[in-house]
Amino acid sequence: EVQLVESGGGLVQPGGSLRLSCAASGFTFTTYWMSWARQAPGKGLEWVANIKPDGSEKHYVDSVKGRFTISRDNVENSLSLQMNSLRAEDTAVYYCARGGGALAQFWGQGTLVTVSS
Amino acid sequence: DVVMTQSPLSLPVTLGQPASISCRSSQSLVHSDGNTYLNWFQQRPGQFPRRLIYKVSNRDSGVPDRFSGSGSGTDFTLKISRVEAEDVGVYYCMQGIHWPPTFGQGTKVEIK
Repeated sequence: EVQLVESGGGLVQPGGSLRLSCAASGFTFTTYWMSWARQAPGKGLEWVANIKPDGSEKHYVDSVKGRFTISRDNVENSLSLQMNSLRAEDTAVYYCARGGGALAQFWGQGTLVTVSS
Repeated sequence: DVVMTQSPLSLPVTLGQPASISCRSSQSLVHSDGNTYLNWFQQRPGQFPRRLIYKVSNRDSGVPDRFSGSGSGTDFTLKISRVEAEDVGVYYCMQGIHWPPTFGQGTKVEIK
């Protein structure tokens, strides 16, 4: 059974940093693109970033470029999102998803990030 | 970015009656590999998104056959043949061919 479990969310002040993690199991992690997507409270879904199976290629949505970094550990089967210079508009539930975006079949339960003073 | 436009945004439906959601993309979603990367997701209240349909018309495992997807190019439709209480939630179309993947605004399905 595919499982994606996010962690690391919480309350952070504007300009602060946070690192999200996603523990993956139930599939061969090293063969899949992985992604982060987010959903602001009461709003729709937005793709944030994705990463190639070997980590050699990464893509970011314009609103997070230069502030967020996606990475993966293919030994630990984990995905990370380092978020710096956080803004109020980054407040959202962040989801880890299996897939680069074209198909994105499986999603985690999400972790809430709140950026507020 | 590719704009995905859904209609209606709110859909009150009587139990047992059909429902239909339209999704239009601002660019063609046909990939050079011949596939059309249009997915449909269901998000029940308080839950994470669940993919129902991929590549326009393919149902995911465990998805009831009352859900069906159709369309081509830039116009797509999700149909529920007979709405059940468990179908309440927000439905999103999503394109996965152009970066970044983008979603429609969501259609809220509720029971009348």
